[in-house]
Amino acid sequence: QVTLKESGPVLVKPTETLTLTCTVSGFSLSNARMGVSWIRQPPGKALEWLAHIFSNDEKSYSTSLKSRLTISKDTSKSQVVLTMTNMDPVDTATYYCARIPAYSGSFNAFDIWGQGTMVTVSS
Amino acid sequence: QSALTQPASVSGSPGQSITISCTGTSSDVGGYNYVSWYQQHPGKAPKLMIYDVSNRPSGVSNRFSGSKSGNTASLTISGLQAEDEADYYCSSYTSSSTSVVFGGGTKLTVL
Repeated sequence: QVTLKESGPVLVKPTETLTLTCTVSGFSLSNARMGVSWIRQPPGKALEWLAHIFSNDEKSYSTSLKSRLTISKDTSKSQVVLTMTNMDPVDTATYYCARIPAYSGSFNAFDIWGQGTMVTVSS
Repeated sequence: QSALTQPASVSGSPGQSITISCTGTSSDVGGYNYVSWYQQHPGKAPKLMIYDVSNRPSGVSNRFSGSKSGNTASLTISGLQAEDEADYYCSSYTSSSTSVVFGGGTKLTVL
């Protein structure tokens, strides 16, 4: 069974750095053409794509957030880590990690999602 | 403001068919066959319903279908059921700015 699970702080203060971990099981981060994306959703609002990383270590970031984001993976630990610097209250959202399957030719077919982790930014 | 435009809401009665549109540009929807659709029930993670414009993942009902014409993609749900009531989001690859863009979401109400 393929699963993804997000973990990280529930509450961060403004200007702090957020570090989120996505732990995957049921597949390997080294599988050819497999990727993992981070996507967030502010309360009551739409989904917003943040970043992705593929098995060959190819990475891409949202242009509007690129200066604040870093994505990396540890294949041996089956983990993908996202860091976001200089957090602001507008970054309050549920953060999801999702798998990009090898069977799709695109970057936006997210076939398995984690349950999401709610992050609140407040002093 | 989202990069892809969806109607805020649509509704239909059980058994009917509805279509949700997703309008972009030639840099995203119109330029690539990389449109996907997601269903999201309240408090739950999104679920992939359609990928690469018209492909259904294993396990998704064939009542869900996708298509594209020009810069507009569409999700059609036939034989509406109460369980279809949810928010629906479209997504596309984009060659401009970010790699992936989402629509603003459409709330489907089954009357």
